[in-house]
Amino acid sequence: LAKTTQPISMDSYEGQEVNITCSHNNIATNDYITWYQQFPSQGPRFIIQGYKTKVTNEVASLFIPADRKSSTLSLPRVSLSDTAVYYCLVGDTGVTGGGNKLTFGTGTQLKVEL
Amino acid sequence: DTEVTQTPKHLVMGMTNKKSLKCEQHMGHRAMYWYKQKAKKPPELMFVYSYEKLSINESVPSRFSPECPNSSLLNLHLHALQPEDSALYLCASSRGRSNTEAFFGQGTRLTVV
Repeated sequence: LAKTTQPISMDSYEGQEVNITCSHNNIATNDYITWYQQFPSQGPRFIIQGYKTKVTNEVASLFIPADRKSSTLSLPRVSLSDTAVYYCLVGDTGVTGGGNKLTFGTGTQLKVEL
Repeated sequence: DTEVTQTPKHLVMGMTNKKSLKCEQHMGHRAMYWYKQKAKKPPELMFVYSYEKLSINESVPSRFSPECPNSSLLNLHLHALQPEDSALYLCASSRGRSNTEAFFGQGTRLTVV
C-alpha cells in the first residue's frame, strides 16, 4: 500500500498561488491520486483526482509527473477561507467488489493570512 | 442530493452501553465507508462496504460491528467501548472503482465515559 508524505504545514497570503507537494514513492498501477480538504469538526471534502499528467477543475489543478511518484496540488489565488488541512491520498481502486481503499496521510495544515 | 447524513451528531455512552451510529445516502453510491478520526489526526479507515458486502475490515476490534442493511444505509453498532474509542466517526460513500471522489458526512462525535 502506497504511503504519502506531505509537509506538515504551509503559510500563505491572500491572492497567492499555493502549491502543496505529496510524495508517494510506492504507488501502484491501480492507484489514483486524490486530494481532500478538511475544516475543523467537518468531514473531508473532495478537491480533485488524477492518474497522470495534469488535471484541472474549477477549484484546483493537480500535476502528476510521468513516474507518478509525486504530485502537486495547486490552489490559485487563495483566500482566508482556504485555511484548512489538505490531504493527499493514494486510493486503491482495485478492491474486490468496487470500493476504494482511501487511506489518509498526515495532511498539510495550510494557513492563509491577509 | 449530494449529502451523506449521519445521526446522531453527538453521542455520550458508558462502557457497558450498546449504541448504533447511522449513515444514509441517496446518491446511488454502492461503496460506503466508516472512518475514525481523533483530534488533530487524519481519518483512519475502519470498514469498506461494496454492493452491501463488507470488502475491507482494517483489523478493527469486534466491539465495533458494521452493518449495511441496504444500498442507502450503513450502521456502526457499538458495544463495550473504551474511553480511548472517543473520536469523530465519519461515514462516506462513493461510486467506487476508478472514481475516488468520496462524499463525507459531518460525523458523529462520540464520547465514551
